[in-house]
Amino acid sequence: DGGITQSPKYLFRKEGQNVTLSCEQNLNHDAMYWYRQDPGQGLRLIYYSQIVNDFQKGDIAEGYSVSREKKESFPLTVTSAQKNPTAFYLCASSIKSGPLEQYFGPGTRLTVT
Amino acid sequence: AQSVTQPDIHITVSEGASLELRCNYSYGATPYLFWYVQSPGQGLQLLLKYFSGDTLVQGIKGFEAEFKRSQSSFNLRKPSVHWSDAAEYFCAVYVTGTASKLTFGTGTRLQVTL
Repeated sequence: DGGITQSPKYLFRKEGQNVTLSCEQNLNHDAMYWYRQDPGQGLRLIYYSQIVNDFQKGDIAEGYSVSREKKESFPLTVTSAQKNPTAFYLCASSIKSGPLEQYFGPGTRLTVT
Repeated sequence: AQSVTQPDIHITVSEGASLELRCNYSYGATPYLFWYVQSPGQGLQLLLKYFSGDTLVQGIKGFEAEFKRSQSSFNLRKPSVHWSDAAEYFCAVYVTGTASKLTFGTGTRLQVTL
């Protein structure tokens, strides 16, 4: 079955540690996205990638980094510079960039203490 | 800057009753509009979308939405709600330009009573 996989479902880290969230898709989509979701704030775009080896900052990129070395993979690293990293992180993809349906993964809940 | 407003944070309806979730957008041109649904602890699923043409669009799970340009609205409706419709619903607008992206509203949580 085609889809988007995010692992792990729950992630716990100590403050000051970097952590990488995995996102894999087998939909053959060119575009991939990372969103952060906090209660009452909807989804906010962190980074997006329109094609392999290229990515752009979204609205809240500070304290995060990404890579896009393969079409199917778009990992997100939450660095120690992110002031408030505890959140629900969602990865999405679309056939290409543009006003197209985005397909979402199940999300990773990150808790930093 | 473009924005999406969902004025209702939480709505409770009885099973079998009709439903309308409100969405207003702020954008100069005709936007691309979407409604997504999210079950607790899950990702989002597209319910329907509006790009152009007929202003009443049909989606999955019996949902429909109507685009009203004069009111800058794209309200989601369902004639008879089922208990399984309990979830959070997000309206989103795609804006083209130098920073093309999907902008989401803050969501409306729907509770269904039996």
